[in-house]
Amino acid sequence: DIQMTQSPSSLSASVGDRVTFTCRASQSVSTSLHWYQQKLGKPPKVVVYSASSLESGVPSRFSGSGSGTDFTLTISSLQPEDFATYYCQQTYSTPLTFGQGTKVEIK
Amino acid sequence: EVHLLESGGGLIQPGGSLRLSCTASTFTFKNYAMSWVRQAPGKGLEWVSSIGGDGRDTYYADSVKGRFTVSRDNSKNTLYLEMNGLRGDDTAVYYCAKDQTPFNGRFDVFDIWGQGTMVTVSS
Repeated sequence: DIQMTQSPSSLSASVGDRVTFTCRASQSVSTSLHWYQQKLGKPPKVVVYSASSLESGVPSRFSGSGSGTDFTLTISSLQPEDFATYYCQQTYSTPLTFGQGTKVEIK
Repeated sequence: EVHLLESGGGLIQPGGSLRLSCTASTFTFKNYAMSWVRQAPGKGLEWVSSIGGDGRDTYYADSVKGRFTVSRDNSKNTLYLEMNGLRGDDTAVYYCAKDQTPFNGRFDVFDIWGQGTMVTVSS
């Protein structure tokens, strides 16, 4: 099974900050790596798919990069609506594993 | 607008059974793989099971293998999750989710999610 490890598990940031968080796979997942945003009480929503493709309707301040085992999600200028938990997921092979999440909180 | 609606959750005693349903609308259901993902209270996302477009290919997390069965009825645009031998650690919100691209033997990003149905396993 491919294990997904996200870091940090949480971070505090201010509106306007540039934030980056990472996701590492225990073996290569090529670019079959996706990022989801989840707000409290809501289902997850795709932010970036296939490592670097921005989902339709997602603001351009979000960007993803990486391939193989190391991936990053960057928010160039954090907005109030971006405070949420972000999960990475690999769909390279089953089981389709998620990372444990990174919670972005207001400083 | 593409829409998924889960139903069938509730309170069930340990060892009991429950069947969840997920009804899809406004897309060609049979072309897409579908999945179940759960989230225990205050915890992260856990993939549970996936099924290919025609229902022949099914996959399970080790934590549910042998107890849960995923199926679909493409004539009714409905996905199912039959859960047997339920345990306390199965307590979670269960989401159904759709793959972004038509199924070609490999799974893809989950682009549409339902609102979830809560399953509580407790005596």
